[in-house]
Amino acid sequence: EPEVTQTPSHQVTQMGQEVILRCVPISNHLYFYWYRQILGQKVEFLVSFYNNEISEKSEIFDDQFSVERPDGSNFTLKIRSTKLEDSAMYFCASSNQLAGAWEQYFGPGTRLTVT
Amino acid sequence: AQTVTQSQPEMSVQEAETVTLSCTYDTSESDYYLFWYKQPPSRQMILVIRQEAYKQQNATENRFSVNFQKAAKSFSLKISDSQLGDAAMYFCAYRSQYSGGGADGLTFGKGTHLIIQP
Repeated sequence: EPEVTQTPSHQVTQMGQEVILRCVPISNHLYFYWYRQILGQKVEFLVSFYNNEISEKSEIFDDQFSVERPDGSNFTLKIRSTKLEDSAMYFCASSNQLAGAWEQYFGPGTRLTVT
Repeated sequence: AQTVTQSQPEMSVQEAETVTLSCTYDTSESDYYLFWYKQPPSRQMILVIRQEAYKQQNATENRFSVNFQKAAKSFSLKISDSQLGDAAMYFCAYRSQYSGGGADGLTFGKGTHLIIQP
């Protein structure tokens, strides 16, 4: 069964550094998403992406963040100048229309640790 | 903005018993979707079940069923014949149809930690 994949599974970076988190969505899906989950807290929506542009974004998704689909398969989240509070689990998801529901299927996540 | 509330931080049930997890939400929209996701210790988010707001019939997926009360803005998850593998965090999630298509992100509750007692 097709699934969303994410790399790396764990990323450790120093404060102020840039990181790129990678995702390969399910191949026939049209919308792609990034979410984050700070340890012990709820999952929060960051951004949705469709047809090579941002569709929706939350207040969390400020100028520090950017997304890109550099080729036909990868979907990336770049975090510039990381801060300690960026430490979290980052989930990628993708969706396609299924009976109108646009069910979102999640990847296994990347744990980002900023030191 | 929509909010999702899960009032039970933790629930415990004996194996083979039935348990119900509560979820309420606040919205002014009439068209939306509701979901339950399971997050085991691996932290992967797994879709359990979905409900379309326009459907009166409650969704069912094998041992999982929902009780959707639109007027009360309530969306509970019932797990029948609980199994050890059901132990996980369960998140209720809301998705608007405001932006159309699949653009809208999910709004999650804080989750309920389900413990299965053998």
